[in-house]
Amino acid sequence: QKEVEQNSGPLSVPEGAIASLNCTYSDRGSQSFFWYRQYSGKSPELIMSIYSNGDKEDGRFTAQLNKASQYVSLLIRDSQPSDSATYLCAVKYSSASKIIFGSGTRLSIRP
Amino acid sequence: DAGVTQSPTHLIKTRGQQVTLRCSPKSGHDTVSWYQQALGQGPQFIFQYYEEEERQRGNFPDRFSGHQYPNYSSELNVNALLLGDSALYLCASSHDRANSPLHFGNGTRLTVT
Repeated sequence: QKEVEQNSGPLSVPEGAIASLNCTYSDRGSQSFFWYRQYSGKSPELIMSIYSNGDKEDGRFTAQLNKASQYVSLLIRDSQPSDSATYLCAVKYSSASKIIFGSGTRLSIRP
Repeated sequence: DAGVTQSPTHLIKTRGQQVTLRCSPKSGHDTVSWYQQALGQGPQFIFQYYEEEERQRGNFPDRFSGHQYPNYSSELNVNALLLGDSALYLCASSHDRANSPLHFGNGTRLTVT
């Protein structure tokens, strides 16, 4: 059973619109949640981290966490062509535990 | 402030050979994790090193081994290479805290022929 699940996409969104990326996780005790962006051929880079239920905003990005539903999402407002990438959801159970990644959602912003 | 550095960038090996990949963590980080990423997949956890000990291990065979040095740098060794070991190998460093995210190096692209 996969521990972190994401829709593989591709998700196609028009430029300027809101892109919504979703992730579910299986371990109810998970404490830390991260979103990474990965351009083709490059390594993942951290976009957002979230630890408490609710929303966390950083510029055009908003992370949302619902621990009761074991669900975390990423919203990208005013989507730009440069946002076209694969977005990886990652989950950590505790301080000494590994970080588990989903398989990623490929996002394409069309002009 | 140097980030995570990995070497080499690319590597081509023959089936059955052995390979060593190297990683220097971001300044101030004490934990190093290694991941394997096949094309179109998310990073798969290989193992994590903290205080020079392997603290956690993913579902990888014993052919995959590692080491962490007192300066926190780390190595990933793969013996008896298989064609299926061809992938991007990512090193990531972090603090030993619950909320500490991973910071990735640029990766090593390994091709096994």
